[in-house]
Amino acid sequence: LAKTTQPISMDSYEGQEVNITCSHNNIATNDYITWYQQFPSQGPRFIIQGYKTKVTNEVASLFIPADRKSSTLSLPRVSLSDTAVYYCLVGDRLHYGGSQGNLIFGKGTKLSVKP
Amino acid sequence: EAQVTQNPRYLITVTGKKLTVTCSQNMNHEYMSWYRQDPGLGLRQIYYSMNVEVTDKGDVPEGYKVSRKEKRNFPLILESPSPNQTSLYFCASSGQGNTEAFFGQGTRLTVV
Repeated sequence: LAKTTQPISMDSYEGQEVNITCSHNNIATNDYITWYQQFPSQGPRFIIQGYKTKVTNEVASLFIPADRKSSTLSLPRVSLSDTAVYYCLVGDRLHYGGSQGNLIFGKGTKLSVKP
Repeated sequence: EAQVTQNPRYLITVTGKKLTVTCSQNMNHEYMSWYRQDPGLGLRQIYYSMNVEVTDKGDVPEGYKVSRKEKRNFPLILESPSPNQTSLYFCASSGQGNTEAFFGQGTRLTVV
């Protein structure tokens, strides 16, 4: 199971683009990269998932370089409501979309957006 | 509406008094799990289940029990709660090959 490393915290201002990078040097061939968002006292919420290159949805973009040893979650033009903890997870999608044994959360990155 | 429902949302109990936190999902998901969240420690997995009658320990299983008699339900049992089990608990579910896991609203437990 690939271990991930993220910054503990980040600060930003409203309207800025925020990039949170996650390192996963031991990522396996079958592993996908997934990001979750968690607001205080709420359960985590799925944001985005990718395998390689770039994935974009209505909330965020996920950039994955060719060696896949890291990934960057990009939040465009953040607002105060984006203040949350962001978790990067790496796991085998076949099992881990399923196998909760692989759904391991670390401490995440606490993003604070200021006015 | 697809959801994971936990009950109760808040609970204050005394040391040693057995309690059960219920978790139910309406998405016919195979996989369910329990997490606890404590300040500075992130989310830690307690137990997980890959299907009915199939459960396994997560990172912090001591002091907890689970059962999976039906696909939709995955209760968390504290046979003899202690103050160090005071925490915020989350239940989650996901389906075979699904991209994402769905989380419940959380249960804030205080053991005095």
